[in-house]
Amino acid sequence: NAGVTQTPKFHILKIGQSMTLQCTQDMNHNYMYWYRQDPGMGLKLIYYSVGAGITDKGEVPNGYNVSRSTTEDFPLRLELAAPSQTSVYFCASTPGVLADTQYFGPGTRLTVL
Amino acid sequence: AQSVAQPEDQVNVAEGNPLTVKCTYSVSGNPYLFWYVQYPNRGLQFLLKYITGDNLVKGSYGFEAEFNKSQTSFHLKKPSALVSDSALYFCAVRDGYQKVTFGTGTKLQVIP
Repeated sequence: NAGVTQTPKFHILKIGQSMTLQCTQDMNHNYMYWYRQDPGMGLKLIYYSVGAGITDKGEVPNGYNVSRSTTEDFPLRLELAAPSQTSVYFCASTPGVLADTQYFGPGTRLTVL
Repeated sequence: AQSVAQPEDQVNVAEGNPLTVKCTYSVSGNPYLFWYVQYPNRGLQFLLKYITGDNLVKGSYGFEAEFNKSQTSFHLKKPSALVSDSALYFCAVRDGYQKVTFGTGTKLQVIP
């Protein structure tokens, strides 16, 4: 049981390029989330999903897209990367039972130059 | 809109002394409150949660938190700090729709 895994761990992207951050969980959790963590800013919710085929925007969705074709996978797509998207990205999941805790992946550190 | 405030960017405490990390919240309806800890270059790890019931919640690694409804607070406490407790601590609140809001985090530094 690997929990929540994220790839890559680190990446440097050029301005205007696109990439996909991968997130997979093997706990059969219905709910999945993407956060970004900036220094001194805590975690900001980008997108979340309550099940396969269902996604919704969080606080800071601009510049990102997501899809949820399976229960296990929740990739985050960056289109036309900008320096403001330099951050650490965390994926998390929860079973969906009300008030249950979130399980976090190890994060992806992304730099846009 | 729900919100969480962690008024201290950093808390310094001597090893063996009690520690408190403060958190206040705002949410419609019943609050579901959480504390998470983050060690360097790692994801967040769950410490404890308050759903309902006893206002004093016990969690991992000897931590506990006190829920105070009238003051809308959920402070994290530990009777005796360890150097290994040094980390970044996040308070979070969840509404009834799975939307979670995190505070900005408090860095705890335990001094030997």
